[in-house]
Amino acid sequence: QSVLTQPPSASGTPGQGVIISCSGSSSNIGRNYVNWYQQLPGAAPRFLIYSNDQRPSGVPERFSGSKSGTSASLAISGLQSEDESDYYCATWDDSLNGPVFGGGTKLTVL
Amino acid sequence: QLQLQESGPGLVKPSETLSLICTVSGDSSSSSSYYWGWIRQPPGKGLEWIGSIFHGGRIYYNSSLKSRVTISGDTSKNQFSLTLSSVTAADTAVYYCARHSIAAAGLYNWFDPWGQGTLVTVSS
Repeated sequence: QSVLTQPPSASGTPGQGVIISCSGSSSNIGRNYVNWYQQLPGAAPRFLIYSNDQRPSGVPERFSGSKSGTSASLAISGLQSEDESDYYCATWDDSLNGPVFGGGTKLTVL
Repeated sequence: QLQLQESGPGLVKPSETLSLICTVSGDSSSSSSYYWGWIRQPPGKGLEWIGSIFHGGRIYYNSSLKSRVTISGDTSKNQFSLTLSSVTAADTAVYYCARHSIAAAGLYNWFDPWGQGTLVTVSS
C-alpha cells in the first residue's frame, strides 16, 4: 500500500493528451513539492518533473506538472509511442520523515 | 556527467545479510553537498525508498526497514554502501542507488541521477 495514490493504468492514442493523478495528504503533498519519474521497461527511473512543475534539462515541454492542495497531476500532451512507460509521483512525508512514492501508473499508447 | 553503479551479489540466502556498494564517478566535485540514497523495486511492483546518507554522516532511514538497514559512506573511494540483515523472499528486488537532493527539511527533495540497478534475489 503506497502512501501516495495513483491510478494503476492510463491510456491514450498518439497525438492525444493524458493526465495522471497523484493523491496524498496534508503531511506529504499538502506541505512539500512533488516530483515525477518516468520508468521505461527494464530501465532505471528517469527524473521527469521536480518542484511540482519544473522540468529538468532535456525533458520535452510536452510533460508538465501541477499541484493543488493534497493532489498533484502529470500531464502529457501530444502522446508519442515512446511515452509508453510507468510514471511515479514522489514527495517528502513529514510524518514519516522521508521520501514517499506513488504506486505507479502504467501508461499505454494505443 | 555524474554516474552511479551498483555492485554486489545477485543471490542471497534467507536469513543472511545483503550487501551492496554504489560507486560514484564523473563530476563528483559537489558530492559533499548532497545525500546519497538507496531505493528498491520488487519485481512488478513500485519504488520503495530505503535510506539516504549525507557526506557529513547524517542518515535518514525508512522506518519500516530501519531495524535491519545500515548505510555508510567511504568518501575516499567515492562509494556508499547498503547492508540489509535477516533477508527474506520479500527483499527480492532491483536495488538502485541515486543522488538525493534534500533541502528545507524535505520541502524540496528528488533523486537524480540513478544507477542502472542491480537485481538481488533471496533464495536458498
